[in-house]
Amino acid sequence: GAGVSQSPSNKVTEKGKDVELRCDPISGHTALYWYRQSLGQGLEFLIYFQGNSAPDKSGLPSDRFSAERTGGSVSTLTIQRTQQEDSAVYLCASSLDASGGQYFGPGTRLLVL
Amino acid sequence: KNQVEQSPQSLIILEGKNCTLQCNYTVSPFSNLRWYKQDTGRGPVSLTIMTFSENTKSNGRYTATLDADTKQSSLHITASQLSDSASYICVVSVKSSGDKLTFGTGTRLAVRP
Repeated sequence: GAGVSQSPSNKVTEKGKDVELRCDPISGHTALYWYRQSLGQGLEFLIYFQGNSAPDKSGLPSDRFSAERTGGSVSTLTIQRTQQEDSAVYLCASSLDASGGQYFGPGTRLLVL
Repeated sequence: KNQVEQSPQSLIILEGKNCTLQCNYTVSPFSNLRWYKQDTGRGPVSLTIMTFSENTKSNGRYTATLDADTKQSSLHITASQLSDSASYICVVSVKSSGDKLTFGTGTRLAVRP
């Protein structure tokens, strides 16, 4: 497809389990962003990749969160030992470059029981 | 199909001048509309959030308007400053369980001295 895709679209997991979220950006887009939105809240910025590098990881909520990007394309966001407060919609966006318009994926809805 | 379109895609203005950014949406049923300011490679900052019954909301030099009948919103920036240079993203929320979001691709604003 032409847009940003994310998988899975929904994920229900038990507290303490690890989850991995995937983002496929638009082909050729060098910049990739991960955000989180909890119910009724605004966007929370998690991390930004330019190519495979993440200049600033300070937005990750805790050391249970990690993200990587390989080949300047697919990115994965991993949450270890999930907690109930991790429940949210995790959104990925990509842009042609750092200053370009961002195209958002449909999000992964994570529910931690 | 739920869509959010922003215009212009990019804009260059001189410091001290005013500008207006547009956001048109086809999202239904409408819940709320947020304008975000995002610096390159950084997280978005929420400027305003407007519900169906609100026509105007201000935040310092930023004033957002909403016309729910025509499904249009604008963000007016008064007496622009160099620090206003950023991307401005319009995000519309669908009234449903889970607060689904639809994103515009943003307007890239550059304020020149």
